[in-house]
Amino acid sequence: GNSVTQMEGPVTLSEEAFLTINCTYTATGYPSLFWYVQYPGEGLQLLLKATKADDKGSNKGFEATYRKETTSFHLEKGSVQVSDSAVYFCALSDLFSGGYNKLIFGAGTRLAVHP
Amino acid sequence: DTAVSQTPKYLVTQMGNDKSIKCEQNLGHDTMYWYKQDSKKFLKIMFSYNNKELIINETVPNRFSPKSPDKAHLNLHINSLELGDSAVYFCASSPRKGATNEKLFFGSGTQLSVL
Repeated sequence: GNSVTQMEGPVTLSEEAFLTINCTYTATGYPSLFWYVQYPGEGLQLLLKATKADDKGSNKGFEATYRKETTSFHLEKGSVQVSDSAVYFCALSDLFSGGYNKLIFGAGTRLAVHP
Repeated sequence: DTAVSQTPKYLVTQMGNDKSIKCEQNLGHDTMYWYKQDSKKFLKIMFSYNNKELIINETVPNRFSPKSPDKAHLNLHINSLELGDSAVYFCASSPRKGATNEKLFFGSGTQLSVL
């Protein structure tokens, strides 16, 4: 079945460090891929997305490229800030029989950035 | 105005009680969801409704009963609460079913604690 695997956290970095959070997926179709972010005490919000192979999603300095050959969608940022501290979720959305789509999440990776 | 609002934000109750969580979206979306987030932050879909019709029903105990009086509302009723039901429950909406490239809009969550 469809699934998402992302690296376990927590990831602890100093401000201005480079960030990579790995994400790989298993899907039977051609899913869209997403990164969502959850700040403390809040709901999830979309960070970026990519809907087909080789697409690059980007937002707020974060980037991720949809790699079909490696079934990956790794999240990167060149210089993290304290305000980036949050839990990051990789997710895929695929079409199922019955014509509905379902968003499947990875386990989440907590990022802590220190000054 | 909050796009997806759920109440209450916190719910503390005793084992065996029955409780409800309410969700409303003012985005005009057709599709609404309930997700459960456990203590390790893992998010799993529970239900989805499209225009008041149930379209996704994952393996959830039948003590959980969603109700959608109209497409803007999706409430979750839980009977005979158990300790394992303690979690954060998120409501979400999306414009329509089958749109795999569209993001979900999440509420801020209801933290349920069963004592």
